[in-house]
Amino acid sequence: QSALTQEASVSGTVGQKVTLSCSGNNNNIGRYGVTWIQQISHGTPKTVMFGNSLPSGIPDRFSGSKSGTTASLTISGLQPEDEADYYCSTWDFSLSAWVFGGGTKLTVL
Amino acid sequence: EVQLVESGGGLVKPGGPLRLSCAASGLTVTNARMSWVRQAPGKGLEWVGRIKSKSDGGTIDYAAPVKGRFTISRDDSKNTLFLEMNSLKTEDTAVYFCTRLSRLDFYYMDVWGKGTTVTVSS
Repeated sequence: QSALTQEASVSGTVGQKVTLSCSGNNNNIGRYGVTWIQQISHGTPKTVMFGNSLPSGIPDRFSGSKSGTTASLTISGLQPEDEADYYCSTWDFSLSAWVFGGGTKLTVL
Repeated sequence: EVQLVESGGGLVKPGGPLRLSCAASGLTVTNARMSWVRQAPGKGLEWVGRIKSKSDGGTIDYAAPVKGRFTISRDDSKNTLFLEMNSLKTEDTAVYFCTRLSRLDFYYMDVWGKGTTVTVSS
């Protein structure tokens, strides 16, 4: 059982806007910013968002937000190369541990 | 450019030891907050442990499943992070990644290595 809860799967068509969510509690998401990590075909993970900031080289169709204990990653204008597993992660104050969500498999139809 | 390159993975019998390395370039491990993350076959990402920078006291924290068996350390002269794993179990079979933690008003994992594969099997 992951400390952070994500949808198991989300799908969308090319050009569509999709939003992935990550739900936690006041010891993790409620306290700290969230990192979003993309992993294509179980390859090298890549950070695509931290808080609402884009790492260098990540297209600006990716955006991040947070409300209370839920964080969201939105992809506006979905592209075929966005098909991947997406994980959210943050520090948990009470566990003194980094926690991950179980991951969302994003399929581009 | 910051790069992290893991090595040392392989096949080991249950109960045995293994040491993983993470060679860094473009950053100084002494001054960085670093973490190990693993991924079992077909599973999601799982945090293993974290070492703070020397200036932040070098504190090390571990995930519950590995506490007491795994040890994180660094060699400043080699600019390398290590993960010493003892009393290995079949459930430790995974790809092990090292990551750097950077900071805004919170810490986040920003750079990832390609990983090294550990298989624990008799």
